[in-house]
Amino acid sequence: DAGVIQSPRHEVTEMGQEVTLRCKPISGHDYLFWYRQTMMRGLELLIYFNNNVPIDDSGMPEDRFSAKMPNASFSTLKIQPSEPRDSAVYFCASSFKRTFGYTFGSGTRLTVV
Amino acid sequence: SQQGEEDPQALSIQEGENATMNCSYKTSINNLQWYRQNSGRGLVHLILIRSNEREKHSGRLRVTLDTSKKSSSLLITASRAADTASYFCATDAQGGSEKLVFGKGTKLTVNP
Repeated sequence: DAGVIQSPRHEVTEMGQEVTLRCKPISGHDYLFWYRQTMMRGLELLIYFNNNVPIDDSGMPEDRFSAKMPNASFSTLKIQPSEPRDSAVYFCASSFKRTFGYTFGSGTRLTVV
Repeated sequence: SQQGEEDPQALSIQEGENATMNCSYKTSINNLQWYRQNSGRGLVHLILIRSNEREKHSGRLRVTLDTSKKSSSLLITASRAADTASYFCATDAQGGSEKLVFGKGTKLTVNP
């Protein structure tokens, strides 16, 4: 398995633009998590899915953020409109059942100018 | 809010020495996990220890868990330059929760 695949690796966009981050979890994993990492706040959980259903989105900072998981092999995190304070590294992770470790993707480094 | 807090924030040692990192948490847990992150990369799962376990080994890694003190330690023996990375502990936020909450990590530098 190629692991958790995220795209793009880097994204630079202008304030106000829409940004879409993509994630392909490991086949057979039933949990998918979106995290954001910054120096100031560390790793923050934004939202997670179980069997494609959003379970907890309490970490989504604002209505500008939305996430979908239309099927077991694909998820998106969208920011519209983007702001400079959204600049961070966004990680997607998947796991099999709740008691196993997570497998993280390589992340998307987002810069909003 | 942070559940796990690592200590120290940064650690610098010589190759061959042992490295010990600590993690404290606030609420009851089902399990505690340790992850490594190399610069510019995603996190890699190292080891999981359940609340009813006290110690676990994996290669050069040794993890202990003291639920009475709500703390855990990660020991890396005979460190190598390749162990240079940030190390994070993660706990399920409350007993039975499916999501992990990560600390801010310990940045380990192993000098050759």
